[in-house]
Amino acid sequence: AQSVTQPDIHITVSEGASLELRCNYSYGATPYLFWYVQSPGQGLQLLLKYFSGDTLVQGIKGFEAEFKRSQSSFNLRKPSVHWSDAAEYFCAVAPSNDYKLSFGAGTTVTVRA
Amino acid sequence: ETGVTQSPTHLIKTRGQQVTLRCSSQSGHNTVSWYQQALGQGPQFIFQYYREEENGRGNFPPRFSGLQFPNYSSELNVNALELDDSALYLCASSMKGAQDGYTFGSGTRLTVV
Repeated sequence: AQSVTQPDIHITVSEGASLELRCNYSYGATPYLFWYVQSPGQGLQLLLKYFSGDTLVQGIKGFEAEFKRSQSSFNLRKPSVHWSDAAEYFCAVAPSNDYKLSFGAGTTVTVRA
Repeated sequence: ETGVTQSPTHLIKTRGQQVTLRCSSQSGHNTVSWYQQALGQGPQFIFQYYREEENGRGNFPPRFSGLQFPNYSSELNVNALELDDSALYLCASSMKGAQDGYTFGSGTRLTVV
């Protein structure tokens, strides 16, 4: 069965500190991989995506993610967080031959001053 | 270009009633997907429409149905509402399926009482 796991339910980080959000997936083949961010009461905004090629992907708002096939992981990172990065972050996957997105349960990021 | 717009933003319905949610896809997009996001959870795929035909369905009962119109806008209909249907319903559109990533709307918050 296909699954997406975000092991961390909640992460608190100080403003200016680095952030890493973990994502592991279980699929038969390498899927399409995405990270979305959701602010309270809002829809989802695409941060970045990976389909193939360079395993380090750059996204919007200073985020990057690294695909590691051997670990079935697609972790999201940001070198220095801003208070505006406080939000819910979702990892999502779609099989190469399908368009359905499967989401993890999300990680809530709190930024303290 | 306009993004994905959903209406209404909030809705309160009584158990057993029927509801219709609407979505206008981003200009040029021909694929629309609907997701249900219960409180504190990741979005769950309901179904997808491509060129007015259902193109995949998640694990939702038949009382969840949809339509896509020639202008690629879409409706989600839910009959015989249950309390567990209370959730944020998200619409997402894309031009080439998962390869471009999906653009999400801000959602409709449905409360069933």
